[in-house]
Amino acid sequence: EAGVTQFPSHSVIEKGQTVTLRCDPISGHDNLYWYRRVMGKEIKFLLHFVKESKQDESGMPNNRFLAERTGGTYSTLKVQPAELEDSGVYFCASSQVGGTANGNTIYFGEGSWLTVV
Amino acid sequence: SQELEQSPQSLIVQEGKNLTINCTSSKTLYGLYWYKQKYGEGLIFLMMLQKGGEEKSHEKITAKLDEKKQQSSLHITASQPSHAGIYLCGADRRGGTSYGKLTFGQGTILTVHP
Repeated sequence: EAGVTQFPSHSVIEKGQTVTLRCDPISGHDNLYWYRRVMGKEIKFLLHFVKESKQDESGMPNNRFLAERTGGTYSTLKVQPAELEDSGVYFCASSQVGGTANGNTIYFGEGSWLTVV
Repeated sequence: SQELEQSPQSLIVQEGKNLTINCTSSKTLYGLYWYKQKYGEGLIFLMMLQKGGEEKSHEKITAKLDEKKQQSSLHITASQPSHAGIYLCGADRRGGTSYGKLTFGQGTILTVHP
């Protein structure tokens, strides 16, 4: 069974440009999460989808970040325009129906490493 | 201050030695996850603990959640170079309607010398 896959694995863009990160969750997982880790800080929650609906987007830093999950399958996270402080690792994760409430674990992808120069 | 404090921040041990990593919360933990990360790779799930006093083991790694559910420890027996990496604890706060909104500690960097 394929795990959570993310693309691209690494991206270097200039300040002001746009980057779109993609996440394919484990097949059948309704819950999809985005997290990120910026330099020197701990991993922080960005948002949570249940199928195609945004359940919680309280961690999104500002309106330069847009996440979508059309059709409830894969998700994209767009940063537009990118700023230097957006550099870091963006992790996607997924879990089954009920999420952690039912003791279902959360599986993480390998991350998309973003560098804004 | 951090919501989740991990200690130590880094650890260097000789192969074969036992070691313990702690994760302390100022709030009650409803679910405590342990992950391992190697540089450039994703988070590998190790264990999840939910009940006070719960203890789980996987190969040479044992994790415990204390009775008050505010502290967890991860113990590695007879460490090997393959255990090296960053160990992260993540807490499920069960806040609001979002499950899976984990709060992470800053991580513990483990180095195992052959």
